[in-house]
Amino acid sequence: DAKTTQPPSMDCAEGRAANLPCNHSTISGNEYVYWYRQIHSQGPQYIIHGLKNNETNEMASLIITEDRKSSTLILPHATLRDTAVYYCIVQTSGGYNKLIFGAGTRLAVHP
Amino acid sequence: NAGVMQNPRHLVRRRGQEARLRCSPMKGHSHVYWYRQLPEEGLKFMVYLQKENIIDESGMPKERFSAEFPKEGPSILRIQQVVRGDSAAYFCASSPPDLGPSEQYFGPGTRLTVT
Repeated sequence: DAKTTQPPSMDCAEGRAANLPCNHSTISGNEYVYWYRQIHSQGPQYIIHGLKNNETNEMASLIITEDRKSSTLILPHATLRDTAVYYCIVQTSGGYNKLIFGAGTRLAVHP
Repeated sequence: NAGVMQNPRHLVRRRGQEARLRCSPMKGHSHVYWYRQLPEEGLKFMVYLQKENIIDESGMPKERFSAEFPKEGPSILRIQQVVRGDSAAYFCASSPPDLGPSEQYFGPGTRLTVT
């Protein structure tokens, strides 16, 4: 079973920031938080990951709370092409990285 | 650097036939994962392989399904005697041989339709 809880759906206006929350209250010390997304029926796409510090890359920012029990993925300026299902996944580091997908959040970006 | 490649992209098989799905990981990647997505459902892990070794097949159905990742060539997911319930999108992912955290790169998937 997935170790995370996400809202099933969210809406966002084009050009605005999309903030996608994720709860992972049972996360352990050696587990990372990963975010992937799946646009329509394409293969999932890696977005970002972090352990305890906030992270930023060209796609998004990841804010992890100090107790690490929740996180937020931020798409700073959402576009229509960001419409997708977003998955928050916790997994350990190490050579074995099986991904356990939950239901994710279906983000709809509208004009 | 070419991404993960899967072929065929679409595959139609009649009940009882065999389906062979191929996955070529990204260059330099030695870890391959297969996932299945049934219609209107989420992605489910099937199997994790390294070169010539099956590391974890806990998500594979007990019968008719097998996977390999030979020393040379692509990884193969084989489904024998397909049934309609096997109709799904099958995604392959690869990751580098790092011991630290690493992301997985997914291919475009193979959509299997069993008639």
